[in-house]
Amino acid sequence: EAGVAQSPRYKIIEKRQSVAFWCNPISGHATLYWYQQILGQGPKLLIQFQNNGVVDDSQLPKDRFSAERLKGVDSTLKIQPAKLEDSAVYLCASSLGQVNSNVLTFGAGSRLTVL
Amino acid sequence: GENVEQHPSTLSVQEGDSAVIKCTYSDSASNYFPWYKQELGKGPQLIIDIRSNVGEKKDQRIAVTLNKTAKHFSLHITETQPEDSAVYFCAASKPSGKLSFGAGTTVTVRA
Repeated sequence: EAGVAQSPRYKIIEKRQSVAFWCNPISGHATLYWYQQILGQGPKLLIQFQNNGVVDDSQLPKDRFSAERLKGVDSTLKIQPAKLEDSAVYLCASSLGQVNSNVLTFGAGSRLTVL
Repeated sequence: GENVEQHPSTLSVQEGDSAVIKCTYSDSASNYFPWYKQELGKGPQLIIDIRSNVGEKKDQRIAVTLNKTAKHFSLHITETQPEDSAVYFCAASKPSGKLSFGAGTTVTVRA
């Protein structure tokens, strides 16, 4: 089966600019996650969707980050305006979303560099 | 929330030797403990996982053990090979809850 697709793979922007990342999960996976991975650290959850509804966005900096999953499939994560500390890899993951089936499959990630 | 600590942060082993990575978690309600391997430029890939109803699970050269009482779990890699060199992450979650990751262990297998 096809994996989790993400684009772009790399993005360099200046601070205060905006950026958007796209994710296409595995077909049939109801749950979609966006994680932020800063260099040398483990992934940190930003937001979790179940179909097109938000399950957990408690760690999302809502003053600058937004995410949507309008039709319950693809998702977009946006940062506006970007700060230097937003430099990280943004990982998208998906899972079936069934109870006791939180096995996540990750995409390759989108590496953001903010100058 | 859940707090996962992982040790060591780096591990260098001779090819053919064993590697052990240990993690502790804070939330006694956590019941799912996966291990991910991340190679340079790639996303984390699930290599093995264990649920709280078992104490040990093995898949070829890798095994995971879980001690619910002490709230710690470990990854064991035997007969290490150069292709085992990567960053390994442990994680923990409650049923249908979010995964909380450790900080990672960089494993280097010396030929």
